[in-house]
Amino acid sequence: DTEVTQTPKHLVMGMTNKKSLKCEQHMGHRAMYWYKQKAKKPPELMFVYSYEKLSINESVPSRFSPECPNSSLLNLHLHALQPEDSALYLCASRVVDSVGELFFGEGSRLTVL
Amino acid sequence: GESVGLHLPTLSVQEGDNSIINCAYSNSASDYFIWYKQESGKGPQFIIDIRSNMDKRQGQRVTVLLNKTVKHLSLQIAATQPGDSAVYFCAENIRDNYGQNFVFGPGTRLSVLP
Repeated sequence: DTEVTQTPKHLVMGMTNKKSLKCEQHMGHRAMYWYKQKAKKPPELMFVYSYEKLSINESVPSRFSPECPNSSLLNLHLHALQPEDSALYLCASRVVDSVGELFFGEGSRLTVL
Repeated sequence: GESVGLHLPTLSVQEGDNSIINCAYSNSASDYFIWYKQESGKGPQFIIDIRSNMDKRQGQRVTVLLNKTVKHLSLQIAATQPGDSAVYFCAENIRDNYGQNFVFGPGTRLSVLP
């Protein structure tokens, strides 16, 4: 079982809704990531948090708003999304400043109607 | 055999045969690489890793080979089993002034035939 927990597993939302995806890990990792994965494609990096500060934003539209309230939690707030934003959203974590594995959660499957 | 096209590249192998999945990476400065396995509806799962100061690493039934000269990575799976059917991604660790993150290759679907 993965040690990175994502909720919800599935989310269906309309284009005017506001929703959030949540991610939690208790491995003491201080680097946390959001990736987006479309069908038959590799994961694409969206955001990286290091020591609870945003360190990388891969030019993601502002309708995606990340938040890292503490060292164990990572949120992705969603507002005014488009149908093309439908995808699997993956959270991952790792130890900061050392070479090591990126641990992934099982993902949140998002459908925007 | 392997097929490449508009769809995800697929490698079909007979159960019990060995599989070789290849990956070209982009950054000659990448210092660490991971192979991930992703089953349908699940997140990527770590299989094996290798640092850039090595050219081979073995695990249980899996071997990763790294050729830095041509920026090529391969994953060998011995005695392939039905449970090995999945999509396999290579990922390279890239460091820049903002930190480090993994960039994933396009992926290969492994299909194990009975």
